[in-house]
Amino acid sequence: AQKITQTQPGMFVQEKEAVTLDCTYDTSDPSYGLFWYKQPSSGEMIFLIYQGSYDQQNATEGRYSLNFQKARKSANLVISASQLGDSAMYFCAMRALYGNNRLAFGKGNQVVVIP
Amino acid sequence: DTAVSQTPKYLVTQMGNDKSIKCEQNLGHDTMYWYKQDSKKFLKIMFSYNNKELIINETVPNRFSPKSPDKAHLNLHINSLELGDSAVYFCASSQDKAGGRNNEQFFGPGTRLTVL
Repeated sequence: AQKITQTQPGMFVQEKEAVTLDCTYDTSDPSYGLFWYKQPSSGEMIFLIYQGSYDQQNATEGRYSLNFQKARKSANLVISASQLGDSAMYFCAMRALYGNNRLAFGKGNQVVVIP
Repeated sequence: DTAVSQTPKYLVTQMGNDKSIKCEQNLGHDTMYWYKQDSKKFLKIMFSYNNKELIINETVPNRFSPKSPDKAHLNLHINSLELGDSAVYFCASSQDKAGGRNNEQFFGPGTRLTVL
């Protein structure tokens, strides 16, 4: 079974600053994928970034980057140059790359960007 | 073009009623899912279908019955609605190749169900 832990309380971030959202995970699967999703107040779930467990480099997608530390089982999301539109809940998730497609989610981090 | 669509977006109903939520994806994906997001924002998978075949069935009350008429549709029927069923229900889809990467799940806009 997979377990995702996101324990940070709600965060306030100054516009244009960077913010790091913590995510640790636990799994017995040797191959897995890690995902981050954004859920703004409007409610939709928006895929942000993906990291495969065997990827040699940390994933980056525009202002989003993943600080993947496999030995520590952590996959922290870094948002650079925060914008007001980044205010949202952020969910870390993982799934095994083989077997069923169950995506296990963490409880989310609330981020509020202030001008 | 909408990739994953759900109807209705809002559903308010009385306890004991039966209701359905429809989901359609136009991405050509093989796998579809239903998730439930509770009032604390926790997302949990309920069901998953691959090419119309049930592959994940979490411990969900049997009042919940998914139906997949074809691989582009996965509907959720709920019998005898209870107060605790109030939540946001998300449909999602993904293209899952064996051992494939980049198999993110694309989510629909969600259906907010309120049981009175």
